[in-house]
Amino acid sequence: QLVLTQSPSASASLGASVKLTCTLSGGHSSYAIAWHQQQPEKGPRYLMKLNSDGNYAKGDGIPDRFSGSSSGTERYLTISSLQSEDEADYYCQTWGTGVVFGGGTKLTVL
Amino acid sequence: QLQLQESGSGLVKPSQTLSLTCAVSGGSISSDGYSWSWIRQPPGKGLDWIGYIYHSGTTVYNPSLKSRVTISIDRSKNQFSLELNSVTAADTAVYYCARGDCHGGSCPGNLDYWGQGTLVTVSS
Repeated sequence: QLVLTQSPSASASLGASVKLTCTLSGGHSSYAIAWHQQQPEKGPRYLMKLNSDGNYAKGDGIPDRFSGSSSGTERYLTISSLQSEDEADYYCQTWGTGVVFGGGTKLTVL
Repeated sequence: QLQLQESGSGLVKPSQTLSLTCAVSGGSISSDGYSWSWIRQPPGKGLDWIGYIYHSGTTVYNPSLKSRVTISIDRSKNQFSLELNSVTAADTAVYYCARGDCHGGSCPGNLDYWGQGTLVTVSS
C-alpha cells in the first residue's frame, strides 16, 4: 500500500535552514512526489515535483530558498534563510491509482 | 496563468447532495496530459483526495467515497463538477479543485495548480 509519512511538527529559527522529510512506504522508492505549502487560512500552493533521483522542478514563482533532494524512500524539502511567511503546513503528495497525501508537517519559525 | 475557481452551495442538509463546480481559466480542460481532481480538508485536519477525471471522461475515485461520489466534466464550459450524495456532518470541509500533471509519468500526477477552496457545511 502506497503511504506517505511526515513528522507532525518542526521548528527552526528565522534566517536558519530546515529540512522536512517525507517517507514513502516500502517498495515505492522509485516514486516521485510533490511538495505543497499551506499558509494559515489559505489554500495549498504547489512548491515542486521531486523525483527519486533528486531532480526537482519548482512551480511558478517559488523562491530559490526552496529545494528538494531524495535518498531511497526519503524525500526532503529544504528551506533556507527562513522567513516568517514560511511558517505553514507542508504536505507531500504522490500518486499511484489515485492521489496520496502525507499527514503534513507544521513548521514553526522561531 | 492557469486559474481554478470553485463554486457551489456552502450549506447542505444532512442526507442531501453536495454539488460543486470548478471553473478553469487560462487553459483548456481538454488538453492532453492533465487530470482534474477534487480534494477536501475537514476543519483542522489534513488533505483528503476525493477523485479525479481525465478529459476523456475517465474517472478514478477514492475507495472510501466511491459509492457516494460522481465527478463529471463539461468541455464546452471548461469546467468539471463534484456531486457527493447522502452527506453527513463528517463531510463538512473546505473543498478544493486542482490540476494534475501527468506528463512524463502516470495520472493523476503531481497537483500543480489549486483553486482557493470553498467551505461546505453540512447542517440542518
